[in-house]
Amino acid sequence: SQQGEEDPQALSIQEGENATMNCSYKTSINNLQWYRQNSGRGLVHLILIRSNEREKHSGRLRVTLDTSKKSSSLLITASRAADTASYFCATDKGGNNRLAFGKGNQVVVIP
Amino acid sequence: EPEVTQTPSHQVTQMGQEVILRCVPISNHLYFYWYRQILGQKVEFLVSFYNNEISEKSEIFDDQFSVERPDGSNFTLKIRSTKLEDSAMYFCASRKTGNEQYFGPGTRLTVT
Repeated sequence: SQQGEEDPQALSIQEGENATMNCSYKTSINNLQWYRQNSGRGLVHLILIRSNEREKHSGRLRVTLDTSKKSSSLLITASRAADTASYFCATDKGGNNRLAFGKGNQVVVIP
Repeated sequence: EPEVTQTPSHQVTQMGQEVILRCVPISNHLYFYWYRQILGQKVEFLVSFYNNEISEKSEIFDDQFSVERPDGSNFTLKIRSTKLEDSAMYFCASRKTGNEQYFGPGTRLTVT
């Protein structure tokens, strides 16, 4: 079954630096989404990239998608302390749009 | 901005008891979902619901689970006889017609 799978990284960076995290998946997808989760809280949708797109920007976020490698990356530029959270990728193969989540990357931004 | 709400935020129950987790999706949304996240693990899909019926369910969603949309606003997940391994964070999500799902803050279920 399809699954998003992040590289199991825990990133610790200084405020102002960029944070990059990766995700790979196994089957064909309709789109891939990135979510943020603050400790003990719900999931907040960040950005969606469709299977026919290669790159997308939203504010300080840049996401890429390589369907030939079945991988995606999320870049957060000029990080802030408020970016401290876990970041999940989730794949959607369409249809009922059930999301398959990866394990998450924990990012700590040190002020 | 409209948001998905869930109650209670934390539920403690004894093994074998029934629990009902409640969600109020965004009002004009059409598709509803339940996911769960066992502590330290991935968020897992449980079930999707559209047009007053289950459209898809995962292997986790066995006969102990049921969902209902009893009125125009609530969307509930019932676990008939809870087990220790049902302890998890349960998230409700909804969407309109696009692909983006809006998640609630979750209900932490602790089975003792």
